Amino acid sequence: EPEVTQTPSHQVTQMGQEVILRCVPISNHLYFYWYRQILGQKVEFLVSFYNNEISEKSEIFDDQFSVERPDGSNFTLKIRSTKLEDSAMYFCAGDRGNNEQFFGPGTRLTVL
Amino acid sequence: QKEVEQNSGPLSVPEGAIASLNCTYSDRVSQSFFWYRQYSGKSPELIMSIYSNGDKEDGRFTAQLNKASQYVSLLIRDSQPSDSATYLCAVGYTGGFKTIFGAGTRLFVKA
Repeated sequence: EPEVTQTPSHQVTQMGQEVILRCVPISNHLYFYWYRQILGQKVEFLVSFYNNEISEKSEIFDDQFSVERPDGSNFTLKIRSTKLEDSAMYFCAGDRGNNEQFFGPGTRLTVL
Repeated sequence: QKEVEQNSGPLSVPEGAIASLNCTYSDRVSQSFFWYRQYSGKSPELIMSIYSNGDKEDGRFTAQLNKASQYVSLLIRDSQPSDSATYLCAVGYTGGFKTIFGAGTRLFVKA
């Protein structure tokens, strides 16, 4: 059964550094999402992406964040200048247009 | 502000019992409703979707939707210890471009 994959599984970075989180969605999915989950808290919507452009973004998704699908398969989330409060699990998800989302295993981001 | 509310629990039920999980949402234009299961340290896994009023059954799971009351529920029959997890209610909005998750209800099924 096809799965969403995410790399790396754990990323440790220094405050102020840039990180890129990578996702390979399921091949027949059309809509892609990034979520974050701070330890012990709820899953928070960051951004949705369709047809190579952002469809919707939350108030969390400010200018330090960006997404792209550089080669038609990978889907990336870039955080330009990380802050301590960016420490969280970041999940990529995708669906075929019915909003029934399949999540990747997540990347744990630790900002020191 | 779109909100999805769940009782955080924990909800504890004995093995073989019915577990009942509830969720309310604030925005009447919500169009799609989902239940995800999240084991500790893992990603959410979709277990049920429901789009119209009424009941939808899939194996031991039944989702119930009442749009007039802005209420979604999940029943788990014959609960098993392996059902112990956090259950997330999620609500999708027009166009499917944004999904809001509740904080989740922790379920413990005692053997």
